[in-house]
Amino acid sequence: ILNVEQSPQSLHVQEGDSTNFTCSFPSSNFYALHWYRWETAKSPEALFVMTLNGDEKKKGRISATLNTKEGYSYLYIKGSQPEDSATYLCALPRLSATNKLIFGTGTLLAVQP
Amino acid sequence: DSGVTQTPKHLITATGQRVTLRCSPRSGDLSVYWYQQSLDQGLQFLIQYYNGEERAKGNILERFSAQQFPDLHSELNLSSLELGDSALYFCASSALAGANNEQFFGPGTRLTVL
Repeated sequence: ILNVEQSPQSLHVQEGDSTNFTCSFPSSNFYALHWYRWETAKSPEALFVMTLNGDEKKKGRISATLNTKEGYSYLYIKGSQPEDSATYLCALPRLSATNKLIFGTGTLLAVQP
Repeated sequence: DSGVTQTPKHLITATGQRVTLRCSPRSGDLSVYWYQQSLDQGLQFLIQYYNGEERAKGNILERFSAQQFPDLHSELNLSSLELGDSALYFCASSALAGANNEQFFGPGTRLTVL
């Protein structure tokens, strides 16, 4: 069974704050890690797909790191804005030959103006 | 807009009925996925198709079936519907089938079973 855990469950920050949250997963049989942003009433939007230990990816004010040896990934948001308010999901594929994603329960981020 | 389209957007039906949800992947994508999101649950993987063939299966009920057609669109058929099948059903697509392929999600179909 592949357990994908995310923490914290929810986070409230002020506009301008930087924040980060964690995705933890079993370090054995790692293939890839996906990060998604899911805004209310919309559909999940892909942020990053990370495959290599030590990977760092960046998109605007959002960046992510990956440590496959210890089984975690961090997502960072620099200078949070109200439009960053969303649920951030990480997901891992069950097998390398398929993209059957097992999703974590997400971190709900609320950015207060 | 991800480029993935799903129809219908909303569906209201009664227990015991059968419905079909339709998905058109992004242009050029060969792999299609179906997910279910129920009230108290996160996104649950149902099934994946790649170029017309079933590639991976999740906890999809026997009352549910899917297929991917030669033009790569996919349909998810839900039969003998129960109240608990009420959920948001997402389709996603990716270029290829492997683990490092980014998935692009459609807007979802909200199914309500009364």
